Amino acid sequence: NAGVTQTPKFRVLKTGQSMTLLCAQDMNHEYMYWYRQDPGMGLRLIHYSVGEGTTAKGEVPDGYNVSRLKKQNFLLGLESAAPSQTSVYFCASMGLAGAETQYFGPGTRLLVL
Amino acid sequence: QKEVEQDPGPLSVPEGAIVSLNCTYSNSAFQYFMWYRQYSRKGPELLMYTYSSGNKEDGRFTAQVDKSSKYISLFIRDSQPSDSATYLCAMTYFSGGYNKLIFGAGTRLAVHP
Repeated sequence: NAGVTQTPKFRVLKTGQSMTLLCAQDMNHEYMYWYRQDPGMGLRLIHYSVGEGTTAKGEVPDGYNVSRLKKQNFLLGLESAAPSQTSVYFCASMGLAGAETQYFGPGTRLLVL
Repeated sequence: QKEVEQDPGPLSVPEGAIVSLNCTYSNSAFQYFMWYRQYSRKGPELLMYTYSSGNKEDGRFTAQVDKSSKYISLFIRDSQPSDSATYLCAMTYFSGGYNKLIFGAGTRLAVHP
């Protein structure tokens, strides 16, 4: 039982490049989330999914796209990376029981030059 | 005005001290209140969870909620160097079809021997 895993752990991009961050969970959770964490800002929700095949925008969705083709995977895409997207990205999943079952992944550090 | 305010610290205390971490909030719709602990370069992990005013105790940790003052606290008794981490408060309310989870900016705590 690995919980929530994220790949890659660290990535450096040049402005304008694209990439996909992968999140996987093995707890059969319905809900999955992508957050970004910046100094002094706490965690901000980018996109979320309430089930396979569904996605929705969070607080800061601009510049990102997501897909949830399989229940266990939630992908975050950056089509044209910008320096403002330099951040630490966390994926989380949550079961139907609510926030007390929310688990976070270890994070992906992204640097956009 | 942020929905959840949290002093970023840093807070430095000697081993064995009682630590008090606090958050204030402005939205009366918040229903559930959580505290997460985040070690350096790791994802947040749920520490305490409560939904009512009053105190909830778990070992050396006590979570306190005062809904009338819109104020929550986390107390750590007999603090240990292993408690050194960033502590994030978080709150949820149902909006737009999902449980919206809002995080504070986090308070960095250092417990020195």
